[in-house]
Amino acid sequence: DARVTQTPRHKVTEMGQEVTMRCQPILGHNTVFWYRQTMMQGLELLAYFRNRAPLDDSGMPKDRFSAEMPDATLATLKIQPSEPRDSAVYFCASGLRPLQFFGPGTRLTVL
Amino acid sequence: AQTVTQSQPEMSVQEAETVTLSCTYDTSESNYYLFWYKQPPSRQMILVIRQEAYKQQNATENRFSVNFQKAAKSFSLKISDSQLGDTAMYFCAFMKLRDDKIIFGKGTRLHILP
Repeated sequence: DARVTQTPRHKVTEMGQEVTMRCQPILGHNTVFWYRQTMMQGLELLAYFRNRAPLDDSGMPKDRFSAEMPDATLATLKIQPSEPRDSAVYFCASGLRPLQFFGPGTRLTVL
Repeated sequence: AQTVTQSQPEMSVQEAETVTLSCTYDTSESNYYLFWYKQPPSRQMILVIRQEAYKQQNATENRFSVNFQKAAKSFSLKISDSQLGDTAMYFCAFMKLRDDKIIFGKGTRLHILP
């Protein structure tokens, strides 16, 4: 039963610290997405890749967020430095058009 | 730009009842995909059902069915014989035919009451 995995599942950190979230997409999928979910904003697309190439990161605060896909089995989302307003659930999804399959999410709390 | 609107922020129904969640969308595209995703308290996002706009027949998956009205740009989800496990946030979503990105509505929180 193939599924998207994300680590860590929970992260509590202090303001100013670096946070790295990792995602393993489903083998064979050619797209990977990073979303952020908050009560106020709902689900927001931060960035996405097709065949490991970044295609759209317009939803991402560029000064502190970065997304990479160093190989086909790993996508990363990094926040440096983290701020309390970054507290949210971060989802990774992978897919083959038109389907997207979501990971379980990383709940990030920045104190 | 495409938009997806879910006008019911929250709903409650008794177990075993039938419930319909509403969704409207705005697009100038003629072919596209529509989805309903479910997010239970575990927060896992689960694809419930998918509809291709070029298909006239409404999609069905077990107790879940849709009423797709293309001219009205309406895409409602019907849950028959609702179960406690259907308690979740439900998101309506849109994708252009040749795009990868999904546009999500704000969601409807559904409570199934025992």
